[in-house]
Amino acid sequence: DSGVTQTPKHLITATGQRVTLRCSPRSGDLSVYWYQQSLDQGLQFLIQYYNGEERAKGNILERFSAQQFPDLHSELNLSSLELGDSALYFCASSTSYSQPQHFGDGTRLSIL
Amino acid sequence: QKEVEQDPGPLSVPEGAIVSLNCTYSNSAFQYFMWYRQYSRKGPELLMYTYSSGNKEDGRFTAQVDKSSKYISLFIRDSQPSDSATYLCAMRVSGNTPLVFGKGTRLSVIA
Repeated sequence: DSGVTQTPKHLITATGQRVTLRCSPRSGDLSVYWYQQSLDQGLQFLIQYYNGEERAKGNILERFSAQQFPDLHSELNLSSLELGDSALYFCASSTSYSQPQHFGDGTRLSIL
Repeated sequence: QKEVEQDPGPLSVPEGAIVSLNCTYSNSAFQYFMWYRQYSRKGPELLMYTYSSGNKEDGRFTAQVDKSSKYISLFIRDSQPSDSATYLCAMRVSGNTPLVFGKGTRLSVIA
């Protein structure tokens, strides 16, 4: 158990909808990272927060947004969903942005 | 050319074999190198973390980095069925730059 908790484990929704994925980092970790994993692209970095502030952005679509709250949990919001957004979404956390990242077990998003 | 290339496998070996997993990369600025293990329906789990070139050993696992060849390896000795998983290499330029992952190699260790 990595100590990173992601909810829900599985989400099924339709095109055009909006969903929110939640992540609770390991106790004491200030950095949170979001990744998307698909069969063809592998693990792709989306966005990073450190102690509530956005630190780095990767290949994150404009339809996607995230935030980190004062209690350090983070949410990833995906809107106007398309079939191609079906993937596994992982959250990772670390004590600071230079330390190794520890991953949660992901949220499987299925768009019908 | 992708930044990090990794043979997807699948790789199938008998129990007790020595396994060699490899990644090549194109960005010579990468300095931090990691190996993650991912079981089915689970998140990646950090196995090895190394900085710059050289070897690092941890139990049955040895990580090697050859920056001159832009090539990293993970060796698993005395492989076990419980080692059956997907192995992902990852790397980054500095402590505060994003991780770049390979697509992973699927390994099966047959009892």
